Amino acid sequence: DAGVTQSPTHLIKTRGQQVTLRCSPKSGHDTVSWYQQALGQGPQFIFQYYEEEERQRGNFPDRFSGHQFPNYSSELNVNALLLGDSALYLCASSPARVREQYFGPGTRLTVT
Amino acid sequence: SQQGEEDPQALSIQEGENATMNCSYKTSINNLQWYRQNSGRGLVHLILIRSNEREKHSGRLRVTLDTSKKSSSLLITASRAADTASYFCAPWANAGKSTFGDGTTLTVKP
Repeated sequence: DAGVTQSPTHLIKTRGQQVTLRCSPKSGHDTVSWYQQALGQGPQFIFQYYEEEERQRGNFPDRFSGHQFPNYSSELNVNALLLGDSALYLCASSPARVREQYFGPGTRLTVT
Repeated sequence: SQQGEEDPQALSIQEGENATMNCSYKTSINNLQWYRQNSGRGLVHLILIRSNEREKHSGRLRVTLDTSKKSSSLLITASRAADTASYFCAPWANAGKSTFGDGTTLTVKP
């Protein structure tokens, strides 16, 4: 049983560009959450998707958007990249209504 | 949203010693979870304790929860060098979102 997978592993972008990160949840999980983790800090909640809708959102600007597909996989899109968006982006999945989350290995985004 | 705050910020011990780290939070919860993160990788779920439980064990891990004090502790017994990692707590309420603190960085020296 594959766990949570994320792609790509690493990504380098230039300021002002747009990026799309992808996540496939663990088998049997239908809820996907995204987190941003800056170096030396804890993961910060971006948003959560369930039944293809954004259910919860953290304190992130509208430049951060997402999508969940019928197969429960998810994408995180970030527009107009800033240097401060450089971070490890983590995806976590869980069964609906159960809070135990399984995290993917993350995507390391560097904005230059 | 709920945010867990871990304490201490950093902890350094010798292999074989026990490590204790603490978590505090502010409002009522349904459960509290502990996670481990090895250097720059994804978080690994360690243990979940429900609000009506006071103590839970999993292998060398022991978690306690005191809802009256809004605090939890994670004890790792007989630590190993492989336990070197950052540890985060995540309190969960019905609202369904939780944020992490900056974690406790544990270093276990061989």
